[in-house]
Amino acid sequence: GQSLEQPSEVTAVEGAIVQINCTYQTSGFYGLSWYQQHDGGAPTFLSYNALDGLEETGRFSSFLSRSDSYGYLLLQELQMKDSASYFCAGITSGYSTLTFGKGTMLLVSP
Amino acid sequence: DVKVTQSSRYLVKRTGEKVFLECVQDMDHENMFWYRQDPGLGLRLIYFSYDVKMKEKGDIPEGYSVSREKKERFSLILESASTNQTSMYLCASIPDTRGAEQYFGPGTRLTVT
Repeated sequence: GQSLEQPSEVTAVEGAIVQINCTYQTSGFYGLSWYQQHDGGAPTFLSYNALDGLEETGRFSSFLSRSDSYGYLLLQELQMKDSASYFCAGITSGYSTLTFGKGTMLLVSP
Repeated sequence: DVKVTQSSRYLVKRTGEKVFLECVQDMDHENMFWYRQDPGLGLRLIYFSYDVKMKEKGDIPEGYSVSREKKERFSLILESASTNQTSMYLCASIPDTRGAEQYFGPGTRLTVT
């Protein structure tokens, strides 16, 4: 089976940097994605790592280490609007199916 | 912009009813997915489809079926709704299997009483 573990909640202040970790156990793994979901909204795609290393997209970066079965999402220059739930998700089949972690709620305070 | 729409934002049904949840995408995407989201459990895959009339079970297919008669439309069917199917249901699509970004609809919050 597949499972992805991430912290349930993280708090930080505006302007800070926060890292959300994700460890996974899965047989058959194509890559790791990250999604953001605001309360009451739909998940939106943030990033994808197919290979080991760092991917940067503006204030957000994502990292993957296949040898450690570990990835993280790094959010810089935090803003209040970044308060949301963040999900790591493993692509676990050739049909691009996703297995999601349970989500990390990020609370950004002034 | 890619648009994925779902037929209802909120739905209340009675135990034993047959329930249809509709999802439509307007970008000619090949693959479509149905998830349910419950507090503390994240999103779990119910069924997916990679082509018209093709369907595959996800992680939690019990109590559900799906239909994909046209490429743009993917329906989730609860044959006999039960209270443990009260949940948020999210539809998603992706252009093809080479892509990583899934596009989600706004969700249908279903309550079964």
